[in-house]
Amino acid sequence: KAGVTQTPRYLIKTRGQQVTLSCSPISGHRSVSWYQQTPGQGLQFLFEYFSETQRNKGNFPGRFSGRQFSNSRSEMNVSTLELGDSALYLCASSRTGMDTEAFFGQGTRLTVV
Amino acid sequence: AQSVTQLGSHVSVSEGALVLLRCNYSSSVPPYLFWYVQYPNQGLQLLLKYTTGATLVKGINGFEAEFKKSETSFHLTKPSAHMSDAAEYFCALALYGGSQGNLIFGKGTKLSVKP
Repeated sequence: KAGVTQTPRYLIKTRGQQVTLSCSPISGHRSVSWYQQTPGQGLQFLFEYFSETQRNKGNFPGRFSGRQFSNSRSEMNVSTLELGDSALYLCASSRTGMDTEAFFGQGTRLTVV
Repeated sequence: AQSVTQLGSHVSVSEGALVLLRCNYSSSVPPYLFWYVQYPNQGLQLLLKYTTGATLVKGINGFEAEFKKSETSFHLTKPSAHMSDAAEYFCALALYGGSQGNLIFGKGTKLSVKP
């Protein structure tokens, strides 16, 4: 079966712009989580959506937001981009989120210049 | 607060040698523990997980880990390293009964395998 698909794979944006990243979970999975990965901070949890509702949220500023659609696809948005937002953004899906396995996509590499 | 500490940001072993990657955790409630592997420019792949029950957990690619509550550790081992094991490894924690959508990760250990 198809895995978790993240688009685009690579993105270059300018400071001050906004960006939207997309994640299509594995068919049947209703939980989608987002993580930011940087060399300095490592992997940090952004937020989790389940059945179109945000269920958990990490410690990130309000410039980071997300949503989930009825087909479980999720988007995350970062407004007013800063240089420090340059990172690999990973999406993970699981059936309910209470499962013990989450499947990760290959990520979107965002570079802010 | 829950946290995960991985000892050693870089570990280098020779092909055929034992692999030992260390992970210690802090949690006020029984944790679920995981090891993930990440290859360059790829997402994370689950190697193994501990939830409840048997404390020695076997995973894919010959890896295993032992949950030691008294030592708050969950070290990852493999008896004989292969060149293809070169990657970055992450230990992660989820609260008991909690959502695996919210994982707390260690900083990662980069494993190099010398021929």
